Amino acid sequence: DVKVTQSSRYLVKRTGEKVFLECVQDMDHENMFWYRQDPGLGLRLIYFSYDVKMKEKGDIPEGYSVSREKKERFSLILESASTNQTSMYLCASRSWTSGLAKNIQYFGAGTRLSVL
Amino acid sequence: DQQVKQNSPSLSVQEGRISILNCDYTNSMFDYFLWYKKYPAEGPTFLISISSIKDKNEDGRFTVFLNKSAKHLSLHIVPSQPGDSAVYFCAASAIAGGSEKLVFGKGTKLTVNP
Repeated sequence: DVKVTQSSRYLVKRTGEKVFLECVQDMDHENMFWYRQDPGLGLRLIYFSYDVKMKEKGDIPEGYSVSREKKERFSLILESASTNQTSMYLCASRSWTSGLAKNIQYFGAGTRLSVL
Repeated sequence: DQQVKQNSPSLSVQEGRISILNCDYTNSMFDYFLWYKKYPAEGPTFLISISSIKDKNEDGRFTVFLNKSAKHLSLHIVPSQPGDSAVYFCAASAIAGGSEKLVFGKGTKLTVNP
């Protein structure tokens, strides 16, 4: 079974703090993704990474950055947290070798971030 | 510009009956569609998918139907069980266009009453 692990289930931070959200997958997947989920807005893509040291902006990258130094780990960084970044953050991974014919992403359990 | 739309925010059905969740899309380049199920405080779990070369895919109690001309897909759950109560997300991607990205709908909250 694919396992995607997010380091924290719940996080409370103060406005202006630098926040790191960590995600680790154990299936040697090439592609990794960060989403945020907000009520009534569904899942929105923040950043994704094709492979190590590669990153692409998603639909809502403002206020975020990412790091992918190792294949299994993809970090989301909030440079200066703001209250409008209070949200559920979801990490996902996908195997490139299975080909796009099976474009299934596997998700972690999520991190509920509150910025006060 | 919402490319994947789930127009019903919620749906309530009786246990044992059929649940039908609907999804519409606007991008004709989409050629692969997925349904995810999400319980509160958990990540989405892949449920079932369909390629645009098919019009139906079945897996146990779950069946997805695709109508390409109408740009519409639906998820049927028969019979519905209380454990099916969750938020269901429809997602689409344009594989032929080389995109790994999934575009998600806003979700439909299904409640199955005992």
